[in-house]
Amino acid sequence: QKEVEQNSGPLSVPEGAIASLNCTYSDRVSQSFFWYRQYSGKSPELIMSIYSNGDKEDGRFTAQLNKASQYVSLLIRDSQPSDSATYLCAVNMPGTGRRALTFGSGTRLQVQP
Amino acid sequence: NAGVMQNPRHLVRRRGQEARLRCSPMKGHSHVYWYRQLPEEGLKFMVYLQKENIIDESGMPKERFSAEFPKEGPSILRIQQVVRGDSAAYFCASSPSGVGEKLFFGSGTQLSVL
Repeated sequence: QKEVEQNSGPLSVPEGAIASLNCTYSDRVSQSFFWYRQYSGKSPELIMSIYSNGDKEDGRFTAQLNKASQYVSLLIRDSQPSDSATYLCAVNMPGTGRRALTFGSGTRLQVQP
Repeated sequence: NAGVMQNPRHLVRRRGQEARLRCSPMKGHSHVYWYRQLPEEGLKFMVYLQKENIIDESGMPKERFSAEFPKEGPSILRIQQVVRGDSAAYFCASSPSGVGEKLFFGSGTQLSVL
């Protein structure tokens, strides 16, 4: 099992729809969770962080966390073609002894005009 | 711009040469992380440093790779005797206070080994 697992996609949604991106992680004691957006050939850009169970909203983005299920998701409402990118889930994993964030392989999102 | 600065953006080396990648963290940040990204793959952690100390190098290959973050100047990732498999994008990130904190990334260095 990968430590941080994401469906590679591509996930294709029409413009204006809700895009739902999912991530599962293996470390039961993880406490910090982040979503990054990475455009092709560019560096990752932080878009959301979440630390507590439940939902956290920021504009068109909502992060959802369920620690019991070891699951974190990102919803993008009113998807725009400019949202087309790879979305990386990042988790701190103290149970591994690693003192840095662990990233999933990313989900590629395509928003169709 | 007080963002994370990496240079060079592109580096071409022949097999057997040395590659030196530089990273200056955001102003006020004293924690530096190096990640490597292969095409179509996620970011793989390599090493975490604070000023003059390596905190976690569990992701760094045991041979040919080294990193430092001196008291003065940028953090350096050094790859000796490069091989074609070292070709990748190398990203540096910084944070203000370390473990569990959000990371801010530089633009990366694309290393190509001929």
